Amino acid sequence: EVQLVESGGGLIQPGGSLRLSCAASGFTVSSNYMSWVRQAPGKGLEWVSVIFGGVSTYYADSVKGRFTISRDNSKNTLYLQMNSLRAEDTAVYYCARDPGIAPSSPARGYFDLWGRGTLVTVSS
Amino acid sequence: EIVMTQSPATLSVSPGERATLSCRASQSVSSDLVWYQQKPGQAPRLLIYGASTRATGIPARFSGSGSGTEFTLTISSLQSEDFAVYYCQQHYNWPPVTFGQGTKVEIK
Repeated sequence: EVQLVESGGGLIQPGGSLRLSCAASGFTVSSNYMSWVRQAPGKGLEWVSVIFGGVSTYYADSVKGRFTISRDNSKNTLYLQMNSLRAEDTAVYYCARDPGIAPSSPARGYFDLWGRGTLVTVSS
Repeated sequence: EIVMTQSPATLSVSPGERATLSCRASQSVSSDLVWYQQKPGQAPRLLIYGASTRATGIPARFSGSGSGTEFTLTISSLQSEDFAVYYCQQHYNWPPVTFGQGTKVEIK
């Protein structure tokens, strides 16, 4: 079955760090462009970060310098390292797959497969 | 950054009726516009890409139209499972991709 399963969320104090994981099955993360998207409680969707085929990564201004996206091809898993967490980072974090297939086709910039999400709560 | 604005915020519709949702971009995004459906406690699901192409498995009652800055999602005859929040998203000039704030379709 093609799916994404996030883990690693929880309650963390402001200033703390957390690493989220997204395990893929049914396809390889190394062949796809992968993103993290978050959703604050009762709010809309906010794109967070993307990793392209090689080592190219991009971030939303709101998390730049604090979050790092990466992947482990041997584990077929995507990660999001989150440092210096703030209350406004509280959200459900989704990993999402771009339908573009690296390197033969470019990233499309939208998402055809989403995980169920993992909740991160930043609070003292 | 391109700003996406959806209207209305909430749409009250009776089952079997037509629903029309709007999405406006702050500058042209050509046809690089997608729609998602999100039900409570679930991840978003891709409905429409390329402004008007249904994603795999999406029923024909969902249709998208528009280009440039004005887009519409139409649900021709609302079924009980269609009551949800709908988001538009542009990917013309990215990163970042940007989403609208959502339209909630509720039972009238």
